[in-house]
Amino acid sequence: EDKVVQSPLSLVVHEGDTVTLNCSYEVTNFRSLLWYKQEKKAPTFLFMLTSSGIEKKSGRLSSILDKKELFSILNITATQTGDSAVYLCAVLNTNAGKSTFGDGTTLTVKP
Amino acid sequence: DAGITQSPRHKVTETGTPVTLRCHQTENHRYMYWYRQDPGHGLRLIHYSYGVKDTDKGEVSDGYSVSRSKTEDFLLTLESATSSQTSVYFCAISESPGLSGANVLTFGAGSRLTVL
Repeated sequence: EDKVVQSPLSLVVHEGDTVTLNCSYEVTNFRSLLWYKQEKKAPTFLFMLTSSGIEKKSGRLSSILDKKELFSILNITATQTGDSAVYLCAVLNTNAGKSTFGDGTTLTVKP
Repeated sequence: DAGITQSPRHKVTETGTPVTLRCHQTENHRYMYWYRQDPGHGLRLIHYSYGVKDTDKGEVSDGYSVSRSKTEDFLLTLESATSSQTSVYFCAISESPGLSGANVLTFGAGSRLTVL
């Protein structure tokens, strides 16, 4: 059975701090790993990663995948209160055509 | 949530009653999914569909059934609701992951179900 484990489960930081969120996985027939952000409503897409070592960036957020060690990290630099959310990691099993999610990391950024 | 709508958005019902949640999309995406989200958990897949009348079970399918008679509609039914099915239910859609190599999910706004 496919498995995704995120750590830490929750994190409290102050504005301006840098945070690193972790996602490890076990999945047969890996196709891609995706990060989503959820702010009290539906999750929204952040990044899709399919190849090892290629960093994806969007403003202060970046992510990278290691397919050998089976993990990904999501970095947020110079955090802002608007970054407060649950960050979800999901992996796609191509054969099944479905995504398996981790339990998420709840990030709280204090002013 | 343009392109995908869920109804009802909120529902309170009693144990033992049937409940149907509806997901409607205007994107013509092939894949549709029903997830539930509970405190301390991420999203857990209930059922999904890869085409009209083609459905399969997810990791928490017991007590749920689905139907997809048209590309745009995916119904989730609780035949006899239980308190353990109190949750927030999200519908999601995606294009064919095998063709695109990805599976970016677009989510509906969610349906909050309370079973008393």
